Amino acid sequence: EAGVTQFPSHSVIEKGQTVTLRCDPISGHDNLYWYRRVMGKEIKFLLHFVKESKQDESGMPNNRFLAERTGGTYSTLKVQPAELEDSGVYFCASSHPGTGIIKQYFGPGTRLTVT
Amino acid sequence: GQSLEQPSEVTAVEGAIVQINCTYQTSGFYGLSWYQQHDGGAPTFLSYNALDGLEETGRFSSFLSRSDSYGYLLLQELQMKDSASYFCAVRDGSGTYKYIFGTGTRLKVLA
Repeated sequence: EAGVTQFPSHSVIEKGQTVTLRCDPISGHDNLYWYRRVMGKEIKFLLHFVKESKQDESGMPNNRFLAERTGGTYSTLKVQPAELEDSGVYFCASSHPGTGIIKQYFGPGTRLTVT
Repeated sequence: GQSLEQPSEVTAVEGAIVQINCTYQTSGFYGLSWYQQHDGGAPTFLSYNALDGLEETGRFSSFLSRSDSYGYLLLQELQMKDSASYFCAVRDGSGTYKYIFGTGTRLKVLA
């Protein structure tokens, strides 16, 4: 089966610009998660979708971040306007309804650099 | 708050055995997971322990002691390809479906 894919793999933008990251989960996985890892620190939870509904967005840093999952398939994470501290690797993960949080399949991440 | 502690770096030689420890502090506990991440790659699920004891999967084993809030990942017959970062993770104790990850342990395997 195809794995979780993310686009783009890298993005370099200037402070104040807008960037949209995309995640395509594994087909049939209702759960979709966004995480961020900043410069060698821990992987931090951002939010969790079940199908098209946001179940938990307590990890979203502020209102400059907006995540959507229209139709319960792919998801986008928009950062507008980007700040220097938003730099990091953004991971998307998905999981099957049966395994829930236990086994998550991660995408390769999008490395975002804000200059 | 909730937190997980891991050593930042571990170095071992090929063929050796290495243990990566993880201590956690959570308000509730639903199990301890381990993920492997090669540089530039996606974190990959390795194991999950919900109950005390040792779970073995090939060269990798994972152990949990809930009374000590402690677990470890044991890698045997180390190979160069095992050089990677290893993360322990627990589910947030508030009952939500989010993982709390440790800061990761960078394992370097030397020839």
